Amino acid sequence: AQKVTQAQTEISVVEKEDVTLDCVYETRDTTYYLFWYKQPPSGELVFLIRRNSFDEQNEISGRYSWNFQKSTSSFNFTITASQVVDSAVYFCALNNETGAQKLVFGQGTRLTINP
Amino acid sequence: DVKVTQSSRYLVKRTGEKVFLECVQDMDHENMFWYRQDPGLGLRLIYFSYDVKMKEKGDIPEGYSVSREKKERFSLILESASTNQTSMYLCASRGGLWRGDGYTFGSGTRLTVV
Repeated sequence: AQKVTQAQTEISVVEKEDVTLDCVYETRDTTYYLFWYKQPPSGELVFLIRRNSFDEQNEISGRYSWNFQKSTSSFNFTITASQVVDSAVYFCALNNETGAQKLVFGQGTRLTINP
Repeated sequence: DVKVTQSSRYLVKRTGEKVFLECVQDMDHENMFWYRQDPGLGLRLIYFSYDVKMKEKGDIPEGYSVSREKKERFSLILESASTNQTSMYLCASRGGLWRGDGYTFGSGTRLTVV
């Protein structure tokens, strides 16, 4: 069975601080994909990144960076120099790209950036 | 632009009512999904469909059923709504050819059962 755990329910930081959102996953598959989504107050899910299980390179996109470590089954997300607009609920998710390709989500982390 | 449309943004229903949540996609996608979102629990899969008239149970199917008579439409049915089904419901679709994550989500239906 597949499982995604986001142990941090809520995080609150002051603007310009760096913040890391943790994601730990479980799967028996050797081929799988990991995702991060952002859900702002408006409610829509915004895709941030997709990473396959064979690509352990870290990725940076502006103030966002992702650290994928298969050895610890983790796919953590760091926001550098946080801004108020980063306030949202963030979800980590997993699928195995076979069959119906259903996404398994973590519980979500509510991030609040205070001015 | 690719779209998944959920018929209602907000819905209020009474306990015991039969409730239909509609989802339509315009991308000719094979796979469609219904998720329920609750605080602290994330998004949990209720049902999914990988073709017309095909459906499979997700992680929390109890109290729900689905219908997929046409490829573009995937309906979630609450046979007898109960207060513990008050939640945000999200529909998604995915096809064989994709960019990015490949999933397209609707904007959600916030259902309140009173």
